[in-house]
Formats: sequence, C-alpha cells, structure tokens
Amino acid sequence: AQSVTQLDSHVSVSEGTPVLLRCNYSSSYSPSLFWYVQHPNKGLQLLLKYTSAATLVKGINGFEAEFKKSETSFHLTKPSAHMSDAAEYFCVVSVYQGAQKLVFGQGTRLTINP
Amino acid sequence: NAGVTQTPKFQVLKTGQSMTLQCAQDMNHEYMSWYRQDPGMGLRLIHYSVGAGITDQGEVPNGYNVSRSTTEDFPLRLLSAAPSQTSVYFCASSWGGRAAGYEQYFGPGTRLTVT
Repeated sequence: AQSVTQLDSHVSVSEGTPVLLRCNYSSSYSPSLFWYVQHPNKGLQLLLKYTSAATLVKGINGFEAEFKKSETSFHLTKPSAHMSDAAEYFCVVSVYQGAQKLVFGQGTRLTINP
Repeated sequence: NAGVTQTPKFQVLKTGQSMTLQCAQDMNHEYMSWYRQDPGMGLRLIHYSVGAGITDQGEVPNGYNVSRSTTEDFPLRLLSAAPSQTSVYFCASSWGGRAAGYEQYFGPGTRLTVT
C-alpha cells in the first residue's frame, strides 16, 4: 500500500529565510512523487514532480525537491521565502494500478512572517 | 483553454436532498477523478474514470455515484446528502489512464455544506 506522511502540519518562516517542508513516503512500487500548492480558496497547482529521472527536481517559483530512496523522503525546499509562498503544500505519491492513483499527505500550511 | 471547470462554486443542501456536481475539461484527457478535501486529511479519491463509459471506485466512494458518457464531462451525484458529506470537492483530469507520472489538473473546487 502507498502512504505519505508530511512531518509538519504547520511551518512558519520569516521572509527571505529558507523553507523546508518534509515528506516521507511508503510505496510498494517505484513511485512518481509530486508537490502541489494550494493558495487560499483556490484549486491545486503542480509545483514539481519526480518520475525516476534526476533525483534533484526543480519546480516553479524557485522550489526544488530531492528524492532520497534510502530515506524514502522527498523534502521540498526554497532558498529564500517570499510572502506569496504562503499557502498549503501537499506531497503526493502516484502509482499506476490499471490507472493513475494519487495518495495525498495531510498537508503543511506555510506561513511567511514579514 | 478553460482547463477544468466545476459548477457550482458553493452549495448548501439539507440532509436527504440530492444534487449533482458538474465537472468538465477541454484538454481531451482520458482520466478524470473526484476528490474530497477535509481539514487535516489532504485529498481523498472518491471515484475515477479512465475513459468514456468506464468508471471505478476510489478510497471513499460511499454515498456518491458517477458516470462518464463523454470524454469532457464527469458529474458527481450525491443521492441522499448527509452532514458527513460537508466538504470541498475537487475534480481533476490528466493522461493518467496510461501511467503514474502525469500531472493532474485540478478545478477550482465546490464547497458543499449539508445541514
């Protein structure tokens, strides 16, 4: 079975400081992994995805994530937070079982302090 | 391209009422799906479809029906609404009928309250 654990339900950082959102996954298959962002009262937008190519994945808005198979982790980072980064972030594992199946983590709310 | 559209944006129902949440996409995607989002639980898959005429259950299908008569549309029906179905509902589409690595495109959501 597949599962995703986001280790922090809420992260608060100051503008201009680094961001780290932590994600561990469990999968019986070779997974694809995604990070999605949800701004208040909006739908979900893809930040980046890992699909068994390079283990360091770059996404939009300066975010990146590193796939570490030995640690079953896919942490999201950004060198310098911006006020517009305040949102809910979801780590997602995707497997193919006759069709694409997504399993979402519980979400991490990122707050940016001025 | 409008992408994925959902109607209505907001809905209030009384217990026992029925309604249909509409979802449409104009990207010719094979795969469409419905999720519900509840606080602290991420999104959970309700039903999905890999093409017209083909649907299957996800993680939390009870109380919901779907059908897929065209590639573009994938309505979600609540047969007899219950307070436990109060949630935000998202429709999504992708090429995900073929593999695991495709991005899913999400609609803006429908906020449903059942009293």
